[in-house]
Parts: sequence; C-alpha cells; structure tokens
Amino acid sequence: DTEVTQTPKHLVMGMTNKKSLKCEQHMGHRAMYWYKQKAKKPPELMFVYSYEKLSINESVPSRFSPECPNSSLLNLHLHALQPEDSALYLCASSQVPLTGNGYTFGSGTRLTVV
Amino acid sequence: AQTVTQSQPEMSVQEAETVTLSCTYDTSENNYYLFWYKQPPSRQMILVIRQEAYKQQNATENRFSVNFQKAAKSFSLKISDSQLGDTAMYFCAFMNHTGANSKLTFGKGITLSVRP
Repeated sequence: DTEVTQTPKHLVMGMTNKKSLKCEQHMGHRAMYWYKQKAKKPPELMFVYSYEKLSINESVPSRFSPECPNSSLLNLHLHALQPEDSALYLCASSQVPLTGNGYTFGSGTRLTVV
Repeated sequence: AQTVTQSQPEMSVQEAETVTLSCTYDTSENNYYLFWYKQPPSRQMILVIRQEAYKQQNATENRFSVNFQKAAKSFSLKISDSQLGDTAMYFCAFMNHTGANSKLTFGKGITLSVRP
C-alpha cells in the first residue's frame, strides 16, 4: 500500500459545527503532516507529528485540533471555523528521518465553511 | 531559512512540444533534496522527480528531466513530448537532507496548460 487516504473528500460545515478530517497510511511512515491549501497557492504547513507526538505547530488557531491516535492515523478536529478557513486540507506522510522520497500526499478534503 | 522562487505564474505549451519550468532557491546548506510536484485538478500532489544536491548528474524520469545548477541554485524542469494529462499546477520544493524537523519548502507554483 503506497497511498495516503483522506476522508471525506468534500465537507460543508456551518460555523457552529464540529467535524473531523481523517487521514490514514499503511506505509510504515512515522511522520504525518497537515497542510492547508488555498486555490492556486502552495500548501501551507499546519502541523507535524513525529512518532505520534506533535513536533511542529505553525501557530495554527485553536479551532483546529490535531490528533494522532496511532502511527497510521491522523485526525484534524474542526470547531467554530470561519468562512476564511474554507480550503483544501492535505495530509501527507514520510519516513523519519526524511529521505529523498520526500512526502506522500493524500488527495485532500475540500472544506467549505458556510 | 530556505526560499524557493518560481517566477512564472502560468505557461502554455502545444501538445507534443517541450516546455521548461523554472525554479531557483536560496540556502546555506550543502546537502539537500529538490523536488518537482504536480497537482492536477484531481488535487493530489504527485511527486514528478527528485534531485539530491550531492549528485551532479541531472535526474530523469521518462519525459521529465531536470537541469540542476547547484552553483547558480537553479532547478528547472523540462517536460518533453507534452501530453494533455500534463496540464496541472507544478510546485518546486526544497528539503534539508537530514533533521527530525526537516520540512518541505514550496515555491508559489506554476500553472501549466497543454493545448491540443
């Protein structure tokens, strides 16, 4: 299995809703990442987990809450989001330490906040 | 800190022709990796080609090849025999060679359109 699987593919949520994004990989990668991407822009790093521990938080607002329950699974819990949080959310994974294989990305969750 | 610059926001190429996408970067590191990622409308970021800085030989993957000029800190992607499926956004990216907190630094990307 050489894939990163993200669910759901699309999500529409109200500003008072609570929802979660899910990311799964079975490549034995021990680092997992959340990125936010606006249209026609590069991905922006949000969080990095290494060996299931949060190692980087790029000053992301607390309405985004990551969780790494095990080495294969990464969640992003969403609460009280704003319309400007609408974006494509990409998950990625990699070996630790990083190698020349770089990251493997999922196909993303398209989030719309109404 | 590393920076990656892609100065061309858009390019267009006729099917079957060759196109070159430019990328420059800035770093004080000596060992690092460079990547080109493709993001089609299907959204998934796909690794196109990678280059290790200590290798002088330019990487090649089928129709994709790079021109890596380490001294000039330039890393351009050449796509030969362009196909309609090459239409996508392309990102150049830099990564330190080692380090637990190494991360990818992306350029702004370029939108490539292949015309039939």
